[in-house]
Amino acid sequence: EAEVAQSPRYKITEKSQAVAFWCDPISGHATLYWYRQILGQGPELLVQFQDESVVDDSQLPKDRFSAERLKGVDSTLKIQPAELGDSAMYLCASSLRRTIKQETQYFGPGTRLLVL
Amino acid sequence: AQTVTQSQPEMSVQEAETVTLSCTYDTSESDYYLFWYKQPPSRQMILVIRQEAYKQQNATENRFSVNFQKAAKSFSLKISDSQLGDAAMYFCAYRSSSNTGKLIFGQGTTLQVKP
Repeated sequence: EAEVAQSPRYKITEKSQAVAFWCDPISGHATLYWYRQILGQGPELLVQFQDESVVDDSQLPKDRFSAERLKGVDSTLKIQPAELGDSAMYLCASSLRRTIKQETQYFGPGTRLLVL
Repeated sequence: AQTVTQSQPEMSVQEAETVTLSCTYDTSESDYYLFWYKQPPSRQMILVIRQEAYKQQNATENRFSVNFQKAAKSFSLKISDSQLGDAAMYFCAYRSSSNTGKLIFGQGTTLQVKP
C-alpha cells in the first residue's frame, strides 16, 4: 500500500540553525499539506499546495519558515533560524482531491524536531 | 473561526468493552465534514471515520460509529468490542466545505485499552 514518506524521522538542532524536512506524497496526489503538531495538541495547518501552487499559507510564519513544491511532487519545508518554540512534530499529508467531498488526507509518519 | 474541542484528555476501556469519545465543535457554516483520526504511538495518523454534515444518518465503519448531533454541534465516536490495537491518540477534526482542505483538529484523547 502506498504511503507518504518523510525524512528525517528525527532531527535535533540548536537554535538559530537551519533545518529542512522532506516529504514525498503518494504518487498521483496533487494536494499536499504540512501540519505542525506541538506535543499534547492537535495538528495545525502550516501550508497547503495544489500541484506546485500554494493554496493556503496563512498560518506559516513566513519570517522563518518557507515551503516549496517545485515540480508538484515532493516538497521541502525549511526553518531558518530555528527557535526553541519550533520543537514539534511536522506532519505531511497528501490527497488525490478529486472533489472536496471525496477527499481523504493520508498522513506520513512525521519528523520530530527538537531545538536546543 | 471554527474550533474543535475534545474535553477528555485520557480515557480507558477494558478489552471487549465499549467506549465513547466526545467532541464538540463551533462553526457558523451549515455544510462541512467531520472526521475521527487515530494516531498510534510512533505511527502515522489514519482516518477512522468521516461524517458529512448534510447527512442525518450516523456513519459506521465496522466497530466504529459516530453520534452526530448537528444542532448540538456534537460528534462523538463509539468504539465497540475494544481491542488492544485500538490504543492510540484519537483526534476529532473539522473541514469546511470550501475549496481548501484544511483540517481543524481538537486537542486529542488518549485511549488506553486494558487487557
